[in-house]
Amino acid sequence: AQSVTQPDIHITVSEGASLELRCNYSYGATPYLFWYVQSPGQGLQLLLKYFSGDTLVQGIKGFEAEFKRSQSSFNLRKPSVHWSDAAEYFCAVASRNAGNNRKLIWGLGTSLAVNP
Amino acid sequence: GAGVSQTPSNKVTEKGKYVELRCDPISGHTALYWYRQSLGQGPEFLIYFQGTGAADDSGLPNDRFFAVRPEGSVSTLKIQRTERGDSAVYLCASSPRLAGYTGELFFGEGSRLTVL
Repeated sequence: AQSVTQPDIHITVSEGASLELRCNYSYGATPYLFWYVQSPGQGLQLLLKYFSGDTLVQGIKGFEAEFKRSQSSFNLRKPSVHWSDAAEYFCAVASRNAGNNRKLIWGLGTSLAVNP
Repeated sequence: GAGVSQTPSNKVTEKGKYVELRCDPISGHTALYWYRQSLGQGPEFLIYFQGTGAADDSGLPNDRFFAVRPEGSVSTLKIQRTERGDSAVYLCASSPRLAGYTGELFFGEGSRLTVL
């Protein structure tokens, strides 16, 4: 069955520290890969995505993610965290063979807290 | 408005009652999705519309759930004979119809449903 695993339910980092949020997927073939962020009182927002090509992708707000086929992983990173990055982060995948309906399969999310 | 609008933002109802949740997508977006997010979980796909028709309703949990999009814009998710287990945040997302798949969904802030 298709699944997305985010092993860390909750992470706390200090402001200015680096961040890595883990995501592993189980899929028949390499899916489309996404990271979304959900801030309090706001809707989910796309941070970045991987479709093909360069396995290191850049997103908004200074985030990047690296696709590693051998590890079935798509970890999210940021070199220096800001207090405003405190939010819930979701990894999601979509099938490459779903026609027009690319419904997303989501992980459980990682809640990020940032200490001043 | 500029974004996806969902009403009501909060709905408290009693077990057995009927509920309607409304989604107003971004103007011009042809694709519309409904997801459900329970506490501590990632979003769970419910139904997908392309235009007026439900292209994929495989995520609807049972026949108490129904959704419509009669004019290809606003959508209403309808829940009959609500149960306590229906309590969740119901998310609506839309995306434009583009020549290529972009993968980006634009989410509303959700409608929080509480069934007492």
